[in-house]
Amino acid sequence: EPEVTQTPSHQVTQMGQEVILRCVPISNHLYFYWYRQILGQKVEFLVSFYNNEISEKSEIFDDQFSVERPDGSNFTLKIRSTKLEDSAMYFCASSATGVEQYFGPGTRLTVT
Amino acid sequence: AQSVTQLGSHVSVSEGALVLLRCNYSSSVPPYLFWYVQYPNQGLQLLLKYTSAATLVKGINGFEAEFKKSETSFHLTKPSAHMSDAAEYFCAVSMDTGRRALTFGSGTRLQVQP
Repeated sequence: EPEVTQTPSHQVTQMGQEVILRCVPISNHLYFYWYRQILGQKVEFLVSFYNNEISEKSEIFDDQFSVERPDGSNFTLKIRSTKLEDSAMYFCASSATGVEQYFGPGTRLTVT
Repeated sequence: AQSVTQLGSHVSVSEGALVLLRCNYSSSVPPYLFWYVQYPNQGLQLLLKYTSAATLVKGINGFEAEFKKSETSFHLTKPSAHMSDAAEYFCAVSMDTGRRALTFGSGTRLQVQP
């Protein structure tokens, strides 16, 4: 069964460094999403992406964040200058229709 | 704006007992509703969805949920718990256009006692 994959599974970075989290959505899906879950808190929406542009973003998704679909298979989330409070599990999701979203296993980002 | 409230951060049942996980939603437009399950160290797996068709929705692993508009609820049930059902369960809502962000509840951790 097709699934969303994410790399790396765990990323440790120093405050102020740039990180890129990578996702390979399910191959025929057209809608892509990033969510995050800070330890002990709710899963929070960051951004959605359709037709090569951002379709919706939350207030969390400020200028430090960007997304890209560089090659038709990968979907990336970049954080330009990481802060301690960016430490969280980041989930990528994809959808064929924009209704059911299928999630990847997540990347645990630790900012020290 | 939309929101989800899951009553009970922890629920413990005995193996073979009924599972009932509660979810109430708030939405200014007809919602789409979802239940996801998260096993330890894994991602979110879609259990079932409501998208304005039948109000009783059946999902994977024997789970089902009933959409009750008058109560703004979408509770998750399973007649007989299995040890493998131990996990965290998240209720989520999106606007009925479908192509929108999911708003999640805070989750309910289900423990199943032998």
